[in-house]
Amino acid sequence: SAVISQKPSRDICQRGTSLTIQCQVDSQVTMMFWYRQQPGQSLTLIATANQGSEATYESGFVIDKFPISRPNLTFSTLTVSNMSPEDSSIYLCSAGQGGPDTQYFGPGTRLTVL
Amino acid sequence: GESVGLHLPTLSVQEGDNSIINCAYSNSASDYFIWYKQESGKGPQFIIDIRSNMDKRQGQRVTVLLNKTVKHLSLQIAATQPGDSAVYFCAENRAAGNKLTFGGGTRVLVKP
Repeated sequence: SAVISQKPSRDICQRGTSLTIQCQVDSQVTMMFWYRQQPGQSLTLIATANQGSEATYESGFVIDKFPISRPNLTFSTLTVSNMSPEDSSIYLCSAGQGGPDTQYFGPGTRLTVL
Repeated sequence: GESVGLHLPTLSVQEGDNSIINCAYSNSASDYFIWYKQESGKGPQFIIDIRSNMDKRQGQRVTVLLNKTVKHLSLQIAATQPGDSAVYFCAENRAAGNKLTFGGGTRVLVKP
């Protein structure tokens, strides 16, 4: 199984600012994903982070709001841009080898926007 | 910290009893299913998975059953312990690219 870390673990941000969340995997993985989990809710896939190319976004999520980078097989970042209180949520990254196959999750980043 | 599962259905179980958590899925083409456990303030933790060519799989104290006819998935936890208190999510792989779609989740509360 992959061990995944995220930074920061939590943050409180002001409206209109941006926050970049980092996700580090302890081994090379084929697939990395970003999810959002609003309070008391299930997980919703934001996008697939593709190594060396643009991320693939799910319906309702756009690159201008959630730019994603994936420079190599162990690291990805998600930026939440021009934040509003509605962006307050837990942001989670996951990783897997493709397949279908198991995805392992990081601990999440708890974002509060004031 | 933030609490997961504030608005989710809750299953209350006596310590030592067996728990059964159910999940309905909608896509008959889904070929892979996973159960995750999420404790408050943590990310989802893998419990057990099953592929669509199977109808049952067992792990340590857990069993997953898959009924493709009615598109139903269940997780059975034997001899439920206080450490099993968490929110449980089922997830299905619906499409190519290993993308997972998560169910709504069930909160399990173990009573001593």
